[in-house]
Amino acid sequence: KNQVEQSPQSLIILEGKNCTLQCNYTVSPFSNLRWYKQDTGRGPVSLTIMTFSENTKSNGRYTATLDADTKQSSLHITASQLSDSASYICVVSRTNDYKLSFGAGTTVTVRA
Amino acid sequence: ETGVTQTPRHLVMGMTNKKSLKCEQHLGHNAMYWYKQSAKKPLELMFVYNFKEQTENNSVPSRFSPECPNSSHLFLHLHTLQPEDSALYLCASSQFLAGGPGEQYFGPGTRLTVT
Repeated sequence: KNQVEQSPQSLIILEGKNCTLQCNYTVSPFSNLRWYKQDTGRGPVSLTIMTFSENTKSNGRYTATLDADTKQSSLHITASQLSDSASYICVVSRTNDYKLSFGAGTTVTVRA
Repeated sequence: ETGVTQTPRHLVMGMTNKKSLKCEQHLGHNAMYWYKQSAKKPLELMFVYNFKEQTENNSVPSRFSPECPNSSHLFLHLHTLQPEDSALYLCASSQFLAGGPGEQYFGPGTRLTVT
């Protein structure tokens, strides 16, 4: 079983609406959690990074939250735009380990 | 072009062909990685190089052969591939081996189709 589970697998939203993506992990010992955005035909690009002590971090219209106690994170997209159509990947790092644990991603489609 | 570049971007090859994927990073990083990305699946780590030395071979079949001539270049030599090897192959680099706050920077990938 993968140590990083994302939901939903995919979603479709109308332009201007908000959406929230979920990430649950079992990785331990926890170091940090990143959300990556991967546009079609491109490599993943980091949106946010959160360490154990951080609860919320924003990057423009993207807001990530972390609950290290329940091992859950979310990525909220506000006022979605067509350019937000992409796959969003949750990636968790383990302390003193270069291997990353990847979720399978959530595919977001924004429609006009 | 800055960051991490990969060539070719698309590759179609038969099962008996031999081809190579190339990755170059312009970030002055010391660690480089090959990943395989299949549809609806998490990225799979294949190989890791740190200061040109291979530190990880994640049980990858021998039909995939990596080469790292220097810290800026990484190759993946392919031969006698199977249809199930069709995937997006991503190269990444990081300042040092990841873990802690270090970020991996990804290239655009090579879309490989094995016929």
